[in-house]
Formats: sequence, C-alpha cells, structure tokens
Amino acid sequence: GDSVTQMEGPVTLSEEAFLTINCTYTATGYPSLFWYVQYPGEGLQLLLKATKADDKGSNKGFEATYRKETTSFHLEKGSVQVSDSAVYFCALRDNYGQNFVFGPGTRLSVLP
Amino acid sequence: NAGVTQTPKFQVLKTGQSMTLQCAQDMNHEYMSWYRQDPGMGLRLIHYSVGAGITDQGEVPNGYNVSRSTTEDFPLRLLSAAPSQTSVYFCASSYSNLARETQYFGPGTRLLVL
Repeated sequence: GDSVTQMEGPVTLSEEAFLTINCTYTATGYPSLFWYVQYPGEGLQLLLKATKADDKGSNKGFEATYRKETTSFHLEKGSVQVSDSAVYFCALRDNYGQNFVFGPGTRLSVLP
Repeated sequence: NAGVTQTPKFQVLKTGQSMTLQCAQDMNHEYMSWYRQDPGMGLRLIHYSVGAGITDQGEVPNGYNVSRSTTEDFPLRLLSAAPSQTSVYFCASSYSNLARETQYFGPGTRLLVL
C-alpha cells in the first residue's frame, strides 16, 4: 500500500540555520504531496502542497519540490526562526483522491 | 469561528472503562474524521463521515464507535478501553471529502489507558 517515510528527529537547529527534512513516499500512479505543520498545543495545518512531478510548493519561506524520479518531497527553509519550532508531517493523497497517508512527523526545535 | 474543538485535552482511563471523545466544528463542514497518532507512525484514520447520518470505517476502526447525528458534532466512543488505545487522537473536518488537503485539525486529545 501507499506509505510515507520521513526522518523522525528531533531536529535541533540554531536560529538562521538551513533546514532540510527528508520525506520519501511509496505510491502507485501520481499522488499529490503535502507538508503539514503542528505548532505546540494546536492542530495540524497545511503548509504547502504539490500535485504533479517537478511542482514546487512554497509558503512562509518553506519550499518542497515533487521529485518523481526519487519519490521524494523534502522540506527546506533557508533560515529558520525560533517560531518555526513545531512538528512537521509529510503526507500524500493517492491518485484517486481516496487514500490520505501521513508520515510519522518530525519535531523541529530552533534555539535562539 | 472556533474551528475544530476537542474535549478533553487529556484523559487517563483504566482498562475496560468507556469514554467518549468529543469533537465539534462550526464551519458547516460535511466531512469529519478521527485519527490516532502513535510514536513512530503517521496519523492513522479511525472513522470518518461524509455528512450527517453517514459514517464509515477507516484504517484502524476496531474498538471504536462513531455517530454523526448533526453536521457539527462527531464523537468517538471507546466502549472498553485497552492499553493499545493509548494514543493522541485528532479530529479533523473539511468542506468535502475531496477537500481533505485543507482539512482543519483539532488540537488533539491525549489518552492514557492503564
């Protein structure tokens, strides 16, 4: 079946450091890919998405590119802030829009 | 709008006890769902509903019941709690089944079953 794998962390960075959180997926066909963020004490919220190969999703300084050849959707940010401390979830929706699969989440802590 | 609210935030149960996790949304969303999150695993779908009066099973439905008598509310019932149900539970809603990418999540309920 479909699955999403991501580094679990925790990932600890200093403010203004470069961030990469790896995400790879297994799916048939052409899934849509997503990153969600969960800030402390809150529910998950959609951060960015990409619906086809080579699409780049971006929001709030975060970016991720849909790489079909490597089945990856790595999350990047050039300069993290303390306010980016959260748990980040990679997810996919299958080709038919029926199955939504989440990765285990990666906890990011940014130190001042 | 309050969005998606969940109560309680934290609960401790003994094995065999029953309880209901409450979920409510004030956005008139048709689609609502319950997930559980366990260490090292992603969110797994327990039950979902595409509208009032309609519910269906997700990936891990055993041990849980749901009902959807109104558009706003989607309670999750544990009839006889087991330690394997220790988890964090998230309720979510979206305008429709096809709009789940923008589903709104509640803050979660942390459940410990002893």
